[in-house]
Amino acid sequence: GENVEQHPSTLSVQEGDSAVIKCTYSDSASNYFPWYKQELGKGPQLIIDIRSNVGEKKDQRIAVTLNKTAKHFSLHITETQPEDSAVYFCAASKGGSYIPTFGRGTSLIVHP
Amino acid sequence: NAGVTQTPKFRVLKTGQSMTLLCAQDMNHEYMYWYRQDPGMGLRLIHYSVGEGTTAKGEVPDGYNVSRLKKQNFLLGLESAAPSQTSVYFCASSRSGTQETQYFGPGTRLLVL
Repeated sequence: GENVEQHPSTLSVQEGDSAVIKCTYSDSASNYFPWYKQELGKGPQLIIDIRSNVGEKKDQRIAVTLNKTAKHFSLHITETQPEDSAVYFCAASKGGSYIPTFGRGTSLIVHP
Repeated sequence: NAGVTQTPKFRVLKTGQSMTLLCAQDMNHEYMYWYRQDPGMGLRLIHYSVGEGTTAKGEVPDGYNVSRLKKQNFLLGLESAAPSQTSVYFCASSRSGTQETQYFGPGTRLLVL
């Protein structure tokens, strides 16, 4: 089955810095890669996703890149703000599968 | 729309007691999921359903049962709670299972003593 590794487990940055979270996946058939943000005491919420026919996608301060050859994808957050502090999960899934495989999460802390 | 709701928000059980967690969604989604979240372990799938009347096992199904009698509801049961089932439980739903956004509920925090 699919295996998704996520690094780092904890990331601490100063407000205004950039943050990068990386995930690798094992199944070359995976073709959908969502990122979820989980704020304290809440359920995860989708913030951005990318499909395998696209190499990069941006939405204001966040972007996701995908390298199919290396089987890894990354979340980039620029100009971080304290409200970006949360746990971020990456996931991977493929056509015909009902179940995404999640990474173990990254706790991002943005210091004012 | 309320989205995905879960009841209760918090519960304390004694070892051996039973309980049912309720998940409801008002988005007419076909697929529903139950996850548990433990520190350092991410989200692990317990059971899921691809439509009314269907259920299937996920990664960690032992000790849990589920039912999907109505499309909008997905129930998770613990027949005989164990301390190892202390966790935060999240329900999620999606329009279809393939390459679709999952919408999560706010979670149920369960403590088994």
